Amino acid sequence: KAGVTQTPRYLIKTRGQQVTLSCSPISGHRSVSWYQQTPGQGLQFLFEYFSETQRNKGNFPGRFSGRQFSNSRSEMNVSTLELGDSALYLCASSRGDGEAFFGQGTRLTVV
Amino acid sequence: GENVEQHPSTLSVQEGDSAVIKCTYSDSASNYFPWYKQELGKGPQLIIDIRSNVGEKKDQRIAVTLNKTAKHFSLHITETQPEDSAVYFCAASRLTGGGNKLTFGTGTQLKVEL
Repeated sequence: KAGVTQTPRYLIKTRGQQVTLSCSPISGHRSVSWYQQTPGQGLQFLFEYFSETQRNKGNFPGRFSGRQFSNSRSEMNVSTLELGDSALYLCASSRGDGEAFFGQGTRLTVV
Repeated sequence: GENVEQHPSTLSVQEGDSAVIKCTYSDSASNYFPWYKQELGKGPQLIIDIRSNVGEKKDQRIAVTLNKTAKHFSLHITETQPEDSAVYFCAASRLTGGGNKLTFGTGTQLKVEL
């Protein structure tokens, strides 16, 4: 059974640029959530998509956005990158009943 | 919103000893409490979870207890092994009404020494 796949694994971007991260959930899972992990703030919830609709949203600025496609794959976008956006971005896949399984994450470095 | 506190931040035990990590939550409506293990360079791995209608759950050397009245839950690892060394996170979620938003604790770095 394939797990959660996140691409790319590593990214280096310059301040002001934008970036798109991708997540393919476990087959049959319709919920995809995104989290930001930093040493200072820990694991913070960004947003959740379920059947192509945003169901929950965390306390992040509008520069952070996402979407989900009909095959449940999800993308998140960060525009106008700031140094503080450097983090591990994690995607979690779920049937929607609680159990959430994480991918390996995308390590974003903003320089 | 929900707030989850986790203690201790670091824990060092001898191989074969038990380890206990404790978490408290603030939202009495939270009803789902998972625990994750994160090894270096990897994403968090779900190791055990408990729902609010259950007081205790075991899976081999791992157990979780929940006290809804006090709003705290704990992870117990018995007969620790070096491969248990990792960062452990507790989390809380309110599943009722939809949504899979997890609020995480700050993590516990567990080191199992030989």
